[in-house]
Amino acid sequence: SYDLTQPPSVSVFPGQTASITCSGHKLGENFASWYQQRPGQSPVMVLYQNNKRPSGIPERFSGSNSGDTATLTISGTQAMDEADYYCQSWDSNTAALVFGGGTKLTVL
Amino acid sequence: EVQLVESGGDLIQPGGALRLSCAASGFTVNSNYMTWVRQAPGKGLEWISIIYSGGATYYADSVKGRFSISRDSSMNAAYLQLAGLRAEDTALYYCARVSRGASKIWYFDLWGRGTRVTVSS
Repeated sequence: SYDLTQPPSVSVFPGQTASITCSGHKLGENFASWYQQRPGQSPVMVLYQNNKRPSGIPERFSGSNSGDTATLTISGTQAMDEADYYCQSWDSNTAALVFGGGTKLTVL
Repeated sequence: EVQLVESGGDLIQPGGALRLSCAASGFTVNSNYMTWVRQAPGKGLEWISIIYSGGATYYADSVKGRFSISRDSSMNAAYLQLAGLRAEDTALYYCARVSRGASKIWYFDLWGRGTRVTVSS
């Protein structure tokens, strides 16, 4: 099976930049999406196709994907960004959709 | 309004069966890729099944042979039939719409609020 690995936790001070990585074999040859899940809520997509923002997602959310690593970057992090973040991609060998294990972002 | 509403979750004994429903509004289920994702208590997201707009279905290894995804155009709904339930199937089950861009571009652009399944004796 295809695995995506994320750090369990990332901490950042308000106003600083947070980076959350997602690693998988040749992930850069596929596309990554990112989801934000606040406590008690359903996931919300914040990036798709590596770096595209859906309507309503602030510009401070950006992304990249190259080699084996996709990265979600949150610039000028705000308290409201504190949440769990999940990366997601597609395994062409099995037609399975795959999620990373999730990263808890703490805004100090 | 474009939305998904799940229902059917329950407390069920090990070995039991259950059918989850996902009612869609604002778009047509048959023209889209519909999927189910679950989240065990305190754990991450786990994709479990998808039905393509053309009708093909795929499953995660963890549920293959026990779960079955389907849809009903007259109800504009998707379903997940669960059988042979185990304690480890206890989770919040989300229905989601998957959009496809060009090859390899897959993303979940609409989620429901989930329905809870608890497997316990």
